[in-house]
Amino acid sequence: QSALTQPASVSGSPGQSITISCTGTSSDVGGYNYVSWYQQHPGKAPKLMIYDVSNRPSGVSNRFSGSKSGNTASLAISGLQAEDEADYYCSSFTSSSSRYVFGTGTKVTVL
Amino acid sequence: EVQLVQSGAEVKKPGESLKISCKGSGYRFTTNWIGWVRQMPGKGLEWMGIIFPSDSDTRYSPSFQGQVTISADKSITTAYLQWSSLKASDTAMYYCARQMGGVVDYWGQGTLVTVSS
Repeated sequence: QSALTQPASVSGSPGQSITISCTGTSSDVGGYNYVSWYQQHPGKAPKLMIYDVSNRPSGVSNRFSGSKSGNTASLAISGLQAEDEADYYCSSFTSSSSRYVFGTGTKVTVL
Repeated sequence: EVQLVQSGAEVKKPGESLKISCKGSGYRFTTNWIGWVRQMPGKGLEWMGIIFPSDSDTRYSPSFQGQVTISADKSITTAYLQWSSLKASDTAMYYCARQMGGVVDYWGQGTLVTVSS
């Protein structure tokens, strides 16, 4: 089971919008609507930001949104803020026996 | 409130054994999968494997098959991750996390394992 592919880094200025891609296969991202996104600040546990492709848990800002097309999912962050600077990981349910797979991770820098 | 509380940091020598724990509360422990995630220093998240506490059905990611053992004791709502012979390359933060449906929603606080001679 290979990790899902994400860009290593994405940057933007405060107030701008950015998008992070997450590419998998038909056995994971493309086969299920179970894509999630996590935010991780240094020294902290990951925090769920998006689940089931485009749903936000209670308490997560509506500046975060998710989508999917084929084998590629995306996380968009609008109105970029300094607090959004963190590592972001996508994940997906998978048909492999391990049931789950993470992306390679993307470092978001707010310029 | 759903909580996953992990055991404390460990410092071990190469070749030693180790078992770390993750106690779940605030939800029906037996009917949700519990997974383990490794994060090596400065690196990304890696899914290690998962267990269904109700019947101890356990699955491993290929990279971790044979390297670790995942188990659970449903009577005390606790999942475990263990090593029989640690290596320096096992130095990492380890998280447990609940998988409900297709999403991993709640995470433990992490257990730092340091393996050094």
